[in-house]
Amino acid sequence: DTEVTQTPKHLVMGMTNKKSLKCEQHMGHRAMYWYKQKAKKPPELMFVYSYEKLSINESVPSRFSPECPNSSLLNLHLHALQPEDSALYLCASRLALTGPEWETQYFGPGTRLLVL
Amino acid sequence: AQSVSQHNHHVILSEAASLELGCNYSYGGTVNLFWYVQYPGQHLQLLLKYFSGDPLVKGIKGFEAEFIKSKFSFNLRKPSVQWSDTAEYFCAVNAGGNEKLTFGTGTRLTIIP
Repeated sequence: DTEVTQTPKHLVMGMTNKKSLKCEQHMGHRAMYWYKQKAKKPPELMFVYSYEKLSINESVPSRFSPECPNSSLLNLHLHALQPEDSALYLCASRLALTGPEWETQYFGPGTRLLVL
Repeated sequence: AQSVSQHNHHVILSEAASLELGCNYSYGGTVNLFWYVQYPGQHLQLLLKYFSGDPLVKGIKGFEAEFIKSKFSFNLRKPSVQWSDTAEYFCAVNAGGNEKLTFGTGTRLTIIP
């Protein structure tokens, strides 16, 4: 099973709201990722967690706050977003063992976010 | 820094035509190469990947890709496309041991029945 689940599927929020996106996998993967994808563009990396520790932050604004409460869960807390933050937010995971055969990332279906 | 180029932005083919989508990367060391597909309204799915060994790799749904190290290329091919292959195709690379997966800009493939 190579399933990454994300909730909610769609989210509409105002610029003053606080909301959270959730990502879950039960494949024993220990690296988890958040990407942002605008329409007709490739995914852009936002954050990487490796063994529940933040290992990469791609200079993402502080209005996005990631959290990895355990090895299966990844959250993205949203606060005071701007309309330009509207996008598809993708979660991905990989096994994180050493060796090229473990480099494959598996993607969830994404949360489509609209900021009004 | 690693980067990926996909020069075909939009490809339109008739069913049963042969397909080749270009992908070039820039990184001098060992790389892992991937092709992902995103069907309309669906999530990114792995088509195939190359790590080492035979430079011709076969993936799902009849796709294959050839790694040509001297040309820094990893082109995707399919001998006969179907209408259901209509999708966005992304080439991606990560340098060996690097956490970061870098995507190309994508190629939109439209198959005309």
